Amino acid sequence: EDQVTQSPEALRLQEGESSSLNCSYTVSGLRGLFWYRQDPGKGPEFLFTLYSAGEEKEKERLKATLTKKESFLHITAPKPEDSATYLCAVQAPGYSTLTFGKGTMLLVSP
Amino acid sequence: DGGITQSPKYLFRKEGQNVTLSCEQNLNHDAMYWYRQDPGQGLRLIYYSQIVNDFQKGDIAEGYSVSREKKESFPLTVTSAQKNPTAFYLCASSIDQGPDTEAFFGQGTRLTVV
Repeated sequence: EDQVTQSPEALRLQEGESSSLNCSYTVSGLRGLFWYRQDPGKGPEFLFTLYSAGEEKEKERLKATLTKKESFLHITAPKPEDSATYLCAVQAPGYSTLTFGKGTMLLVSP
Repeated sequence: DGGITQSPKYLFRKEGQNVTLSCEQNLNHDAMYWYRQDPGQGLRLIYYSQIVNDFQKGDIAEGYSVSREKKESFPLTVTSAQKNPTAFYLCASSIDQGPDTEAFFGQGTRLTVV
């Protein structure tokens, strides 16, 4: 059974204080690992897909990395508008469905 | 403007009633999905469909039903058999094969039992 564990559950940062979110996964093979951002009361917004260990992708202040067992979402010099819940999901080979973690709620204070 | 439209945004259901949540997409995606989100929980898969007139149960299908008569539409019915239907429901779509199989989500329907 595919499993995704995200840590920490919640993270509070000061504006400009860089940090990382963790996503550990167990899946029989990996078709893709996905990061989403979700604002309160809204649907998740797609951020990145990572396919193989060693891969990295960046978007503004966010950088996602992937190893064989986990992925990190690095947030550099965050701003209050980065406050959201960040969701990680995995996709197994031959399937289009996603298995999600419970998310990390990020709060960035000015 | 391509995307996924869910309606209504808020829905109230009385005990014993069936209600249907709408999901329409104009992204020309083959695959569509319904997820349920509860506070402190990850998204859990209810049903999915990879092609018109075919669908499969997800992890928590009991008390729900779906249809896929058109490529663009994947409505979800929450039946009276669903014991705890109050939740945030999310519809998504994606391509089914090849690269770039990320799912795109609608804005959700919040269902409350009154």
